[in-house]
Amino acid sequence: DAMVIQNPRYQVTQFGKPVTLSCSQTLNHNVMYWYQQKSSQAPKLLFHYYDKDFNNEADTPDNFQSRRPNTSFCFLDIRSPGLGDAAMYLCATSVGHLDTEAFFGQGTRLTVV
Amino acid sequence: AQTVTQSQPEMSVQEAETVTLSCTYDTSESNYYLFWYKQPPSRQMILVIRQEAYKQQNATENRFSVNFQKAAKSFSLKISDSQLGDTAMYFCAFMGTNNAGNMLTFGGGTRLMVKP
Repeated sequence: DAMVIQNPRYQVTQFGKPVTLSCSQTLNHNVMYWYQQKSSQAPKLLFHYYDKDFNNEADTPDNFQSRRPNTSFCFLDIRSPGLGDAAMYLCATSVGHLDTEAFFGQGTRLTVV
Repeated sequence: AQTVTQSQPEMSVQEAETVTLSCTYDTSESNYYLFWYKQPPSRQMILVIRQEAYKQQNATENRFSVNFQKAAKSFSLKISDSQLGDTAMYFCAFMGTNNAGNMLTFGGGTRLMVKP
């Protein structure tokens, strides 16, 4: 059974048109993460929520925002997508204690046209 | 800041043989955790194996084992009896103990192809 679900799997958006990617979890984990993964590269952390506390990585562009309305859901908003934002976006969760593994969703592949 | 380096972008191995994937890291922390994650084509990333830095014994999970050399800051993954289903991207990852969100720093990945 899928525990971290990302919708949609594939998203095509127009240059400059706002887009929202969603992530839900059935694990009741405290922490939710958003990673950007470009082709054949390592996932790069954009930000994470520890419960309701939002933590932004220093080099995450302002174009990227996130919302976590409740424990189960987390959204990634890209306000004005550029061609360079085309990537796989991975959502992950963890309990929040050290040593525990992160559980990943299947990702949303974003194409910007 | 921590860095994780995987020096082998691509590797291949014959089915049933053994392969070792390399990983080195740099950190000033004395206690931390290391992980290997597997990302199969079009499927989600899953944990393969983890190692706590303060444990000297190398972790083992069935056909997967690590060679953890703390002084050398090296953390290689050995896959024994390789299977076709092992074909995937493998990411080495570091988690320090000084961050509240338990964030992972990933290496660049190694694409492993298991050949029949």
